[in-house]
Amino acid sequence: EAGVAQSPRYKIIEKRQSVAFWCNPISGHATLYWYQQILGQGPKLLIQFQNNGVVDDSQLPKDRFSAERLKGVDSTLKIQPAKLEDSAVYLCASSLEPPSYNEQFFGPGTRLTVL
Amino acid sequence: AQRVTQPEKLLSVFKGAPVELKCNYSYSGSPELFWYVQYSRQRLQLLLRHISRESIKGFTADLNKGETSFHLKKPFAQEEDSAMYYCALSANSGYSTLTFGKGTMLLVSP
Repeated sequence: EAGVAQSPRYKIIEKRQSVAFWCNPISGHATLYWYQQILGQGPKLLIQFQNNGVVDDSQLPKDRFSAERLKGVDSTLKIQPAKLEDSAVYLCASSLEPPSYNEQFFGPGTRLTVL
Repeated sequence: AQRVTQPEKLLSVFKGAPVELKCNYSYSGSPELFWYVQYSRQRLQLLLRHISRESIKGFTADLNKGETSFHLKKPFAQEEDSAMYYCALSANSGYSTLTFGKGTMLLVSP
């Protein structure tokens, strides 16, 4: 089966600019996650969707970050305006519906550099 | 709130040596524990989960609730085991939200 797809793979922007990332999960996976991974750290959950509804966005900096999952399939994550500290790899993952021990399948990530 | 601690950033061993990657967690409830692995130039992927009680690629991990640990072990390391290993916890609240540790880089030398 095809894996989780993400684009772009790399992005370089200047601070205060805007950027958007796209994710296409594995077909049939109801749950979609966006993680931020800063260099030297483990992935940190930004937002979790169940179908097209948000179930956890407690760690999403809502003053600058937004995400949507229209029609319960693809998702976009946007940063506006970007800050230097947003430089990180942004990972998208998907899984079948709960329970909580279901495996998450990760995409290749988008490496964002903010100058 | 839950927390996962991996005390070692880097673990370097020789081929054939035993390996133990440490993971401690903090959570007041009954967690689900996982080990995820990222090989060079590959995606992050599940290695094993405690609920399955399985051995994958020779690796095992036992959940010790008394010590709040979930250490990853392999009796004889292979060069192809070299990778970044992340311990992760799910709060078993109905949604599989994962909290990751910072990761341990395992380097196996010939």
